[in-house]
Amino acid sequence: AQSVTQPDIHITVSEGASLELRCNYSYGATPYLFWYVQSPGQGLQLLLKYFSGDTLVQGIKGFEAEFKRSQSSFNLRKPSVHWSDAAEYFCAVGARAAGNKLTFGGGTRVLVKP
Amino acid sequence: DAGVTQSPTHLIKTRGQHVTLRCSPISGHKSVSWYQQVLGQGPQFIFQYYEKEERGRGNFPDRFSARQFPNYSSELNVNALLLGDSALYLCASSLRGDSGANVLTFGAGSRLTVL
Repeated sequence: AQSVTQPDIHITVSEGASLELRCNYSYGATPYLFWYVQSPGQGLQLLLKYFSGDTLVQGIKGFEAEFKRSQSSFNLRKPSVHWSDAAEYFCAVGARAAGNKLTFGGGTRVLVKP
Repeated sequence: DAGVTQSPTHLIKTRGQHVTLRCSPISGHKSVSWYQQVLGQGPQFIFQYYEKEERGRGNFPDRFSARQFPNYSSELNVNALLLGDSALYLCASSLRGDSGANVLTFGAGSRLTVL
């Protein structure tokens, strides 16, 4: 069975500073990996995904993530944070045989200081 | 184009009651999935339907059921509500539902409060 760990529950970052959110997964084969963002009271918006190929993937809103198989990680990064990036971020893993079942991590809440 | 629409957006029920949540997928999407998100946690998979057939079920009791209609919309039903069923229920749709390499588009959710 798949599992996802997001070690940081809260992260506070200053506007303009860089951001990195950690995600570790457990899955026996090559996973499908996703990062979603959720603003308060809203649903989830896909930031980026990794299925195969280049391990550095670019997403929307200036986000990128790197798949590192040796570390079972898929960390999300942004070089310069904007106040509008304050939200909750979820890493998720899917599997070929699991259809649309995604396993989500517990989320990381990002606070942006002016 | 309309995204995934869910109704109702908010509802309050009492213990023991029944609730029906509805979801309309993006036009052309044939798969609908349901997730439960308890406050402060990540979403948990409840059901997936693809081409009107159940394709996956999460670790939820039989009080939870769902179905997909010929127009690909879906209902999630929960019987004998418990306080612990209070959560945001998210619906997601995708073009297909036969592999993990499908991109899910989520609706804004239905927030259920059980008193």
